[in-house]
Amino acid sequence: NAGVMQNPRHLVRRRGQEARLRCSPMKGHSHVYWYRQLPEEGLKFMVYLQKENIIDESGMPKERFSAEFPKEGPSILRIQQVVRGDSAAYFCASSSQGRLTTYEQYFGPGTRLTVT
Amino acid sequence: RKEVEQDPGPFNVPEGATVAFNCTYSNSASQSFFWYRQDCRKEPKLLMSVYSSGNEDGRFTAQLNRASQYISLLIRDSKLSDSATYLCVVGLGGNKLTFGTGTQLKVEL
Repeated sequence: NAGVMQNPRHLVRRRGQEARLRCSPMKGHSHVYWYRQLPEEGLKFMVYLQKENIIDESGMPKERFSAEFPKEGPSILRIQQVVRGDSAAYFCASSSQGRLTTYEQYFGPGTRLTVT
Repeated sequence: RKEVEQDPGPFNVPEGATVAFNCTYSNSASQSFFWYRQDCRKEPKLLMSVYSSGNEDGRFTAQLNRASQYISLLIRDSKLSDSATYLCVVGLGGNKLTFGTGTQLKVEL
């Protein structure tokens, strides 16, 4: 499967726990993006990463959220001390284009986070 | 004003009909434009990029009017399988995409 992979597909956490969401980009892609979709809302950009670099994190909440894309392994979106408002679908996308222009992004199946 | 605005619908059309969706964007510096489709609770799937000259892919035609900051999608000969939410997506540059909230299409027998 050469598509964008995300795991887990479903994640249930209690308030105050940590959530870790993983994303492996499409083969040949080195740019990763995270988006969040709240119930009945559109997708919102969170962060854009390349290997070992955060390029744009303008959509990330200031606290509790962090993202990384290490040299080896998947990109990780980490949410500390989850609250009920964090319940959403988190989608990862990847592209092959560099920073200067927007290129087509392909999405993974998403992780549905439920905070109880 | 929202950065990307779409009529939420739903558009209920009979099989075989032609249906058109419109979208407006607020930032005149936007550089790239796309239509994605999203089926219920699934990931967005790229339908087509939109170019200034307009482009066509089978039954789907997309148009861009930069002066009016307006994007359109035309679907001819609608199929039941076209039922989905169609997302208008705009890129300002730097790989950050802004999504509209989508237009829901229901194709009926």
